[in-house]
Parts: sequence; structure tokens; C-alpha cells
Amino acid sequence: AQSVTQLDSQVPVFEEAPVELRCNYSSSVSVYLFWYVQYPNQGLQLLLKYLSGSTLVESINGFEAEFNKSQTSFHLRKPSVHISDTAEYFCAVISQGGSEKLVFGKGTKLTVNP
Amino acid sequence: KAGVTQTPRYLIKTRGQQVTLSCSPISGHRSVSWYQQTPGQGLQFLFEYFSETQRNKGNFPGRFSGRQFSNSRSEMNVSTLELGDSALYLCASSLVAGRQNTEAFFGQGTRLTVV
Repeated sequence: AQSVTQLDSQVPVFEEAPVELRCNYSSSVSVYLFWYVQYPNQGLQLLLKYLSGSTLVESINGFEAEFNKSQTSFHLRKPSVHISDTAEYFCAVISQGGSEKLVFGKGTKLTVNP
Repeated sequence: KAGVTQTPRYLIKTRGQQVTLSCSPISGHRSVSWYQQTPGQGLQFLFEYFSETQRNKGNFPGRFSGRQFSNSRSEMNVSTLELGDSALYLCASSLVAGRQNTEAFFGQGTRLTVV
């Protein structure tokens, strides 16, 4: 079985500051990794995903995440945040074989202050 | 292309009642998964349907059930509602089931409040 730990439940930052949202996972098999974002009163939207290849993946709105197999981490970063990035961010994993359901972390609420 | 549609968006029920939530996946998608989201437990997987068959089930009591129709639309039902069932119920659709490189698209959810 897989599990995901998001180490920070809330992260407040000022606009234009850098941010890192941490995600660690546990799995006995290889996994694929995802970050989803949820804006207030909305469903989840896929932000980025790691399936294979380059361990650094990027989204269209400036976020990036790096898969680190030795540290079983998939931290999300952005060098300069905007007010509009205020949302809840969820890290998720799915096994490459076997059980095929997404397993989510408990989420990190990012609040960007002016 | 229309996204995942969940109806209703909001629902208030009393304890002991039952409720049915609906999810219409993106056209052409055949897999539908359901998740329960609560502040305390986060996102928890309920079940997944593909081609009208339940392929995967989470650790929820039998009061939670679902089905999928031939047009891929899915419903989930919760019977004998309890206060703890209050949550945001999210539906996700994907092209095929269990294909990890297939993106799951989520609906906006149904907010269920049990009083």
C-alpha cells in the first residue's frame, strides 16, 4: 500500500516570495506522482505529474516539482508566488502496478498575502 | 469539451435519510472514481467503475454504494445517513481504468451536509 505525507498543513507567504510545499511518499513498488490544486469551492485540477524521464517536471503557471527517489520525495516549488496561487495543494501517488487508485496526502493550504 | 459534471452541487439531508449523487464524466471517458473529502480525513477513495463494473473499492461501510450506466454516467448512494457523512464528494473521470498515465479529471463536487 502507498501513503503520502504532506509535512505542512498550512503555508503562509508574501506575494513574490518563493515557496516550497513538501511531499513524501511511502511505497513498496514504483509509483507515479501528481500534484493537484483545489481552489475554494472547486474540484481538483492536475497541476503536474511525474511518470518517467526527467525528474524535474514543470507546470504552465510556473510551478515545478522534482522527483527524488532516494528521499522518496516530490516537493513542489515556485520561485515567485502570486495572490492567485492561494489554494489547497494535494500530492498524490499511484502504483505503477497493482492497486490503481490515487492515494492523496492531506493537503497543504497555501495562502499568499499582499 | 464539457468537463465532469456533478449534480447536485449542494445537498442538505437529515440523519437516517438516503441520498443519491450523480456524476457525468467527460465524453468518451469510461472510468469514474468517487472520493470523499473531509477536513479531518482528507481525500479518501470510495470506489471506481469501468464499463459498468466496480473495479476497486475503498474502506467504506456498505451504506456507500455506487453504479455505472452504459453511457458511463455514475451514481453513488449513501443510505442511513450519519452526521459524519457530511463531506464534499468528488467524482473523477479518466479515459480508461487503471492507466496511470491517464489524467484524472475532477468535477466540482457535491457538498453534502447531514443535520
